[in-house]
Amino acid sequence: QTVVTQEPSFSVSPGGTVTLTCGLKSGSVSTNYYPSWYQQTPGQAPRTLICGTNRRSSGVPDRFSGSILGNKAALTITGAQPDDESDYYCVLYMGTNWVFGGGTKLTVL
Amino acid sequence: EVQLVESGGGLVQPGGSLRLSCATSGITVTTSYMIWVRQAPGKGLEWVSVIYGGGGTYYADSVKGRFTISRDNSKNTLYLQMNSLRAEDTALYYCIGGVDSSSKGFDFWGQGTMVSVSS
Repeated sequence: QTVVTQEPSFSVSPGGTVTLTCGLKSGSVSTNYYPSWYQQTPGQAPRTLICGTNRRSSGVPDRFSGSILGNKAALTITGAQPDDESDYYCVLYMGTNWVFGGGTKLTVL
Repeated sequence: EVQLVESGGGLVQPGGSLRLSCATSGITVTTSYMIWVRQAPGKGLEWVSVIYGGGGTYYADSVKGRFTISRDNSKNTLYLQMNSLRAEDTALYYCIGGVDSSSKGFDFWGQGTMVSVSS
């Protein structure tokens, strides 16, 4: 069973930079897993941020960026704003199916 | 504008069945892939099933053998037939359209339909 790992929680100051990661319990994440990232605020459907490692979805500000850092996928938020306080989910493509990480709760304070 | 509108959720007893629908506009159900994802109350997102443009289907282990994904091209509608429902299937079910097969992302999301399994 594939397990995708994310930090359960993270905190960043307004205007600061934060990097959330997405790993595999067994193995390394590469672009072959097409990591994507989604933002969800309470009561709302998720919003697509990044697909295919680093492709920003339409309308997403360029302060959100995706990459591979070491053996993990990463979502970096540069210049965090109060509205960025949300849950962030990564998902990896496994060839025929997808697997979500457990999500990271980001606090901006 | 792309719209995905789910329906068919509700309260059902354990062991019962439901069929979810997802009416699409702005994209066709024969696009690269159409997916169901669910979210149990207060929990994270869980991938459930996919139907690819070519017709191939795949399921999460947790629903394999109980759920069936299908589509009606003429109605531009995606379905999820859910049988032998369990309490742990209680969740908000989202319909997703993926149009860019080169990125494998979840491009468009519906607002979800709630399924509650309880006696």
